[in-house]
Amino acid sequence: KQEVTQIPAALSVPEGENLVLNCSFTDSAIYNLQWFRQDPGKGLTSLLLIQSSQREQTSGRLNASLDKSSGRSTLYIAASQPGDSATYLCAVVYGGSQGNLIFGKGTKLSVKP
Amino acid sequence: DAGVIQSPRHEVTEMGQEVTLRCKPISGHDYLFWYRQTMMRGLELLIYFNNNVPIDDSGMPEDRFSAKMPNASFSTLKIQPSEPRDSAVYFCASSQAPTGPNGYTFGSGTRLTVV
Repeated sequence: KQEVTQIPAALSVPEGENLVLNCSFTDSAIYNLQWFRQDPGKGLTSLLLIQSSQREQTSGRLNASLDKSSGRSTLYIAASQPGDSATYLCAVVYGGSQGNLIFGKGTKLSVKP
Repeated sequence: DAGVIQSPRHEVTEMGQEVTLRCKPISGHDYLFWYRQTMMRGLELLIYFNNNVPIDDSGMPEDRFSAKMPNASFSTLKIQPSEPRDSAVYFCASSQAPTGPNGYTFGSGTRLTVV
């Protein structure tokens, strides 16, 4: 079964710390992987998308990496701020599908001032 | 572009009533997806359309759920009759090419409460 797993489910860090969120997927044949941010009671905001042929993408303090052979992606957040507190969701479009996005359960991040 | 627009933002209804959720995708996006988010199950795909045609509705939980896309700029998700276990946040998303570099864009969601 094609799944996406995110560990840990929750993470609390002090402000200023660099941190890594993890995502694993069950099949290396993927089209792309997308990281989203969701604030409480809000919708999903796309952060970064990594195509199958890419190894990483960067946007500001965020860097996402992709290792298809190990079925893993990481989202690196540098110099974390309280405003980064949110739930981060990883989602994959698997090869052989027609494009439906399969989500992990997310990691709830809390950055303490 | 205003993004993916969903209405209403919140809906509270009594068990047994019909509920209709609405979505306007981004212009030019040929794919439209309906997802449901619950605490227990996370985000689950219900159905998706390509060029207004339903492609995969295997995620629709039961016959009480139906979805239509009468044209490229409008889709509805209908629940009739509604039940308390349908309470969730329903998201609509659109994409120009789901396997391409731009991925999905999500709407703000409709929070449905069935009492």
